[in-house]
Amino acid sequence: DTGVSQDPRHKITKRGQNVTFRCDPISEHNRLYWYRQTLGQGPEFLTYFQNEAQLEKSRLLSDRFSAERPKGSFSTLEIQRTEQGDSAMYLCASSLAVPPEQYFGPGTRLTVT
Amino acid sequence: AQTVTQSQPEMSVQEAETVTLSCTYDTSESDYYLFWYKQPPSRQMILVIRQEAYKQQNATENRFSVNFQKAAKSFSLKISDSQLGDAAMYFCAYRLTQGGSEKLVFGKGMKLTVNP
Repeated sequence: DTGVSQDPRHKITKRGQNVTFRCDPISEHNRLYWYRQTLGQGPEFLTYFQNEAQLEKSRLLSDRFSAERPKGSFSTLEIQRTEQGDSAMYLCASSLAVPPEQYFGPGTRLTVT
Repeated sequence: AQTVTQSQPEMSVQEAETVTLSCTYDTSESDYYLFWYKQPPSRQMILVIRQEAYKQQNATENRFSVNFQKAAKSFSLKISDSQLGDAAMYFCAYRLTQGGSEKLVFGKGMKLTVNP
């Protein structure tokens, strides 16, 4: 297993368009996390899944954001009606329950023009 | 709410020297994890080291070691024999152990430059 993968790596979209990102976790990891990182800041938590169940959502996750992990494997993060403030790096991470280390993917950089 | 503070936005160190990165955090919990992550330029976040709050012994991973002061809520990272490849953003992070949120709470990060 080569680690957490994310697709696409870069996405440029126009304001108002919808975008969807995919994350494939490390295969045996049952926990999957989404974070957002803006320039000069640390990652901020968005949401997390244990298997297919979405157990926690941040207040940062507005109604325009939705995440799924339908079969407890890969996950998608969709942003509807994108705004310029959505421009950021979207990071995915996965882990086991124990040990608790979260392993990060390379991220998807979103630019909204 | 838990918060993590990295008060030094940037530091530099000469190759082969030792540098210490500082981190403080605020929590009312007694059982938690602390992490240091490294993010090289245009590359993904890499775990450097983990510390469990219940352990008194400071964690060590090769050239990386921590100074964990639970009462002071301080968690510093020492890098010995600095190498050019250590140049990166370093993030301190906190997580509850169980019975609560599994999210990581990150500091704002610190940019480390290693001079040859």
